[in-house]
Amino acid sequence: QKEVEQNSGPLSVPEGAIASLNCTYSDRGSQSFFWYRQYSGKSPELIMSIYSNGDKEDGRFTAQLNKASQYVSLLIRDSQPSDSATYLCAVLYNFNKFYFGSGTKLNVKP
Amino acid sequence: DTEVTQTPKHLVMGMTNKKSLKCEQHMGHRAMYWYKQKAKKPPELMFVYSYEKLSINESVPSRFSPECPNSSLLNLHLHALQPEDSALYLCASSQSTNEKLFFGSGTQLSVL
Repeated sequence: QKEVEQNSGPLSVPEGAIASLNCTYSDRGSQSFFWYRQYSGKSPELIMSIYSNGDKEDGRFTAQLNKASQYVSLLIRDSQPSDSATYLCAVLYNFNKFYFGSGTKLNVKP
Repeated sequence: DTEVTQTPKHLVMGMTNKKSLKCEQHMGHRAMYWYKQKAKKPPELMFVYSYEKLSINESVPSRFSPECPNSSLLNLHLHALQPEDSALYLCASSQSTNEKLFFGSGTQLSVL
């Protein structure tokens, strides 16, 4: 079983702050990495994807990948109460299997 | 159209019932998936279809039977389920099996 590890949280940040979410994975053969946001009782929604080392920015979101350290992170700038959700890290193995971390619950306090 | 549509949204069934979950996408995706998610847990892969053929079965009990009638449709037939099978069942699709997943809104299943 491939492992994808996330701190379950909850991570609490004040409105307007930067939220930093982290994920580690066990298999060096992983090719692609994704962050999903899931509101309570809803389905996961894709936030970011990243495939190569470095940073990738999309609006208030920045994904960071370090394959040598087997580490991927998501930064949320100017956090809003509407960002309060569980964030799932997903890792693609063998070009056909997505494994999900258990998720980090983020609370953004007004 | 970037949606994956699942029906029904909620389902309550007894252990002797037979029911089916349905999933539809019109994005031209060639891979479709069933995931099971228990409360406060990550989605767990059940089945993967690629080009309408079953490519992955994650050792799912035979009381769950998937079907892919065509490239846009995916069904999950349920029979003789157990109360522990109660969960959110998520359908997803992707352009191919190594592309990002798009999830439907899910079916919340309760087995009594």
